[in-house]
Amino acid sequence: EAQVTQNPRYLITVTGKKLTVTCSQNMNHEYMSWYRQDPGLGLRQIYYSMNVEVTDKGDVPEGYKVSRKEKRNFPLILESPSPNQTSLYFCASSADSRGAQYFGPGTRLLVL
Amino acid sequence: GESVGLHLPTLSVQEGDNSIINCAYSNSASDYFIWYKQESGKGPQFIIDIRSNMDKRQGQRVTVLLNKTVKHLSLQIAATQPGDSAVYFCAEDGSSNTGKLIFGQGTTLQVKP
Repeated sequence: EAQVTQNPRYLITVTGKKLTVTCSQNMNHEYMSWYRQDPGLGLRQIYYSMNVEVTDKGDVPEGYKVSRKEKRNFPLILESPSPNQTSLYFCASSADSRGAQYFGPGTRLLVL
Repeated sequence: GESVGLHLPTLSVQEGDNSIINCAYSNSASDYFIWYKQESGKGPQFIIDIRSNMDKRQGQRVTVLLNKTVKHLSLQIAATQPGDSAVYFCAEDGSSNTGKLIFGQGTTLQVKP
């Protein structure tokens, strides 16, 4: 089944404790992206990747890092999480930057 | 700045009726639009898309209409079913070529049995 998977689905952590949210797609898509969804603010792009080893900032990249060492994986790294990073995170992928993006199931993060 | 907005935060319809969800966009250079459905606890699910060289596109029970003159997008759902209850988002590509989608705030569709 063609899909985008994320892990973990739920995470509670404390301020400053580094964490990684993994994202994987099995559709051989070139383009991958991370979004966060917050009430009243909608979905906002954090980082995106046009292809392997090519990443760039979206609208809200502060406090996040990403890497794209392989085509299928696009992990989101929070080096020192803070409470304002409490949010619902979605990974998405598409064949290229001009096509429909397919979203993962989401990761709900709470930073205490 | 650019924004994508939906006219109504909540739409309530009777099961079996047709639903129309509207969206206004402000970036006249956008040339690709997508409708997503998001059910509670799930990620946005692709419904249908349309490029700016078209004004109508049909899928299974859904139709998207694009009016570039007034920068308006709509999603029509035929014979609405309880399973259609969800939040619906329109998104535009903003013509940035970065793949970034600009999302509206969403319309909650409630289907009454």
